[in-house]
Amino acid sequence: EPEVTQTPSHQVTQMGQEVILRCVPISNHLYFYWYRQILGQKVEFLVSFYNNEISEKSEIFDDQFSVERPDGSNFTLKIRSTKLEDSAMYFCASSEQLPGNQPQHFGDGTRLSIL
Amino acid sequence: QKEVEQNSGPLSVPEGAIASLNCTYSDRGSQSFFWYRQYSGKSPELIMFIYSNGDKEDGRFTAQLNKASQYVSLLIRDSQPSDSATYLCAGHGSSNTGKLIFGQGTTLQVKP
Repeated sequence: EPEVTQTPSHQVTQMGQEVILRCVPISNHLYFYWYRQILGQKVEFLVSFYNNEISEKSEIFDDQFSVERPDGSNFTLKIRSTKLEDSAMYFCASSEQLPGNQPQHFGDGTRLSIL
Repeated sequence: QKEVEQNSGPLSVPEGAIASLNCTYSDRGSQSFFWYRQYSGKSPELIMFIYSNGDKEDGRFTAQLNKASQYVSLLIRDSQPSDSATYLCAGHGSSNTGKLIFGQGTTLQVKP
């Protein structure tokens, strides 16, 4: 069964450094998302992306965050200057269509630890 | 603030019993709902989704949606110890951008 793949599985970074989290969505999917989950808390929406544009972003997704689809397969989340509070699991998801009737499939996540 | 609410539990049931997990939502514009299972330290894994009022069955799982009451539930029949996990309810909001709003999850413990 097709999967969303994320790399790396664990990223440790010094505060203030830039980090790029990578995702390869399922190949025929058109809609892409990033979510994060701080330990013990809810899964929180960050951003949705379609047709090379951000469709919606949350309040968490401030100027330090950006997303890009640099080629036909990768979807990346960049955090420019990391803060301690950015430590979380980051999940990429994709869906074939807008998930009115189509579910989002999640990758295994990247655990981001900011020191 | 549009919310999805779940009782965090834990909900404890004996093996073979029916587990009933519940979720309420505040956004009347929400059209579809998703149940994900999340094992500790792992990613959400889709179990079922529902967008019409009524029941939807898939194997041991039944999702129920009542839009008038803004209520979603998941029934797990013949619960197994391997079903022990956190169950996340998520609503697709009315913004039409795919944003999912998650509840905090209900921890289910199935005791052998």
